[in-house]
Amino acid sequence: QKEVEQDPGPLSVPEGAIVSLNCTYSNSAFQYFMWYRQYSRKGPELLMYTYSSGNKEDGRFTAQVDKSSKYISLFIRDSQPSDSATYLCAMRNTGNQFYFGTGTSLTVIP
Amino acid sequence: SQTIHQWPATLVQPVGSPLSLECTVEGTSNPNLYWYRQAAGRGLQLLFYSVGIGQISSEVPQNLSASRPQDRQFILSSKKLLLSDSGFYLCAWSVDRGNYGYTFGSGTRLTVV
Repeated sequence: QKEVEQDPGPLSVPEGAIVSLNCTYSNSAFQYFMWYRQYSRKGPELLMYTYSSGNKEDGRFTAQVDKSSKYISLFIRDSQPSDSATYLCAMRNTGNQFYFGTGTSLTVIP
Repeated sequence: SQTIHQWPATLVQPVGSPLSLECTVEGTSNPNLYWYRQAAGRGLQLLFYSVGIGQISSEVPQNLSASRPQDRQFILSSKKLLLSDSGFYLCAWSVDRGNYGYTFGSGTRLTVV
C-alpha cells in the first residue's frame, strides 16, 4: 500500500466552479500536510501547509485535514483558468522525508 | 529574498555518458537541500538530502550520487547514465526539516537516449 494515495484525474471544471482535491494516507504518524501547485514543465510551488487536524483558509483556497479518517482536502472556490495545473499533496511525520501524492491534473475551462 | 537556481532546464544525454546537475540557493544560510525525481504517474521520489556541507543522505540506491561542496550548492551526478535515469529532476531547499514546506527549483528535464 502506498503511503499517500491521490486520484490522478484528469479533472475538468467550468470557470467559477468549486474544486475539491483529495488525498488519503496510511501512516497515522503524519503531522505536517502540504499542498503544492505545479504548472507544466515547472517545479512545484507551495500553496498551503497545515499542522495536525483542522481547516486553513487562504483567499480562494481552503485546506482541510481529517486525521481520524486519514484524509486531506484542498478546496478551490471560484476557480479560474489560471488554476489549471497539477496539484500535489505532501505529508510527513517527525522524520526528514515528505511523502508526495502523484498529483491531480486540473483544467478550468473558460 | 531567497531564490533557488537550477540548471540546465533541458538535457539530452546518451546512455553511458556522465551527468552533472547543479543547484544553488541564494538569500539563506545552512539550508536543507534535496534532490527529487519526478516520473509520470509516480509522484516525487526523494533521491538525496543534505543538512550541511559534505553531509549527504541517500534515500534510494541507484546510479546517481550527490555532493554539497558549499553551503548553498548541491550537485547531482552520475558516472554512466542509464535509460532509466530519464525524468524530471528537482532541487529543493527548506529551513530545518521543512515544516513549512519546501521551495523547489524550476527542474531539469533529462532524457537519456
